[in-house]
Amino acid sequence: QLQLQESGPGLVKPSETLSLTCTVSGGSISSGTYYWGWIRQPPGKGLEWIGNIYYSGRTDYNPSLESRVTTYLDTSKNHFSLKLSSVTAADTAVYYCARSSGGQWLDWGQGTLVIVSS
Amino acid sequence: DIQMTQSPSTLSASVGDRVTITCRASQSISTWLAWYQQKPGKAPKVLIYKASSLESGVPSRFSGSGSGTEFTLTISSLQPDDFATYYCQQYNDYPWTFGQGTKVEIK
Repeated sequence: QLQLQESGPGLVKPSETLSLTCTVSGGSISSGTYYWGWIRQPPGKGLEWIGNIYYSGRTDYNPSLESRVTTYLDTSKNHFSLKLSSVTAADTAVYYCARSSGGQWLDWGQGTLVIVSS
Repeated sequence: DIQMTQSPSTLSASVGDRVTITCRASQSISTWLAWYQQKPGKAPKVLIYKASSLESGVPSRFSGSGSGTEFTLTISSLQPDDFATYYCQQYNDYPWTFGQGTKVEIK
């Protein structure tokens, strides 16, 4: 059974870069059938799609974040990563990594809370 | 961006009730819509994809319908485990967007 696990700092200072990794077990991120992505949820609020990355390396990002977002795959470690630069308090959220097939998010990590504060 | 609007925002219901949640898209998304259930402190779980296809393992009391701009999620007989927040999501066009959520509470 596929499992995803987010990891990274829970506290990031304003203007710095948020970096998270999603480790995948029970399946390969090299599968061309699926794509991988990030979704976030500010405390008490709704869900926001951040972006996707495909096995080919193609990426799609939310235009509202595109200038600050980078995602990449590391097939040797079977994980994918997110970097979000120049963070502010508005970036405080639970960050989820997930796997998609066709657009719906089939499998999710448990989520990791990232707080932006000095 | 395609805006997704859910109604109601909160719904109070009793065990056994039939419950319907509506999701409207700001432009046509064909049937490229998914529904999720989220419980406090947990990741969302997909219930329905392509507007009306039931995800494997999801109870048959959940059903989805609609196309174009108007969609519904129906729970035919509400169970104690169904009290949660429900989200719709369109994946017809980037950026993929979610509705604001509908919280189903115990009446």
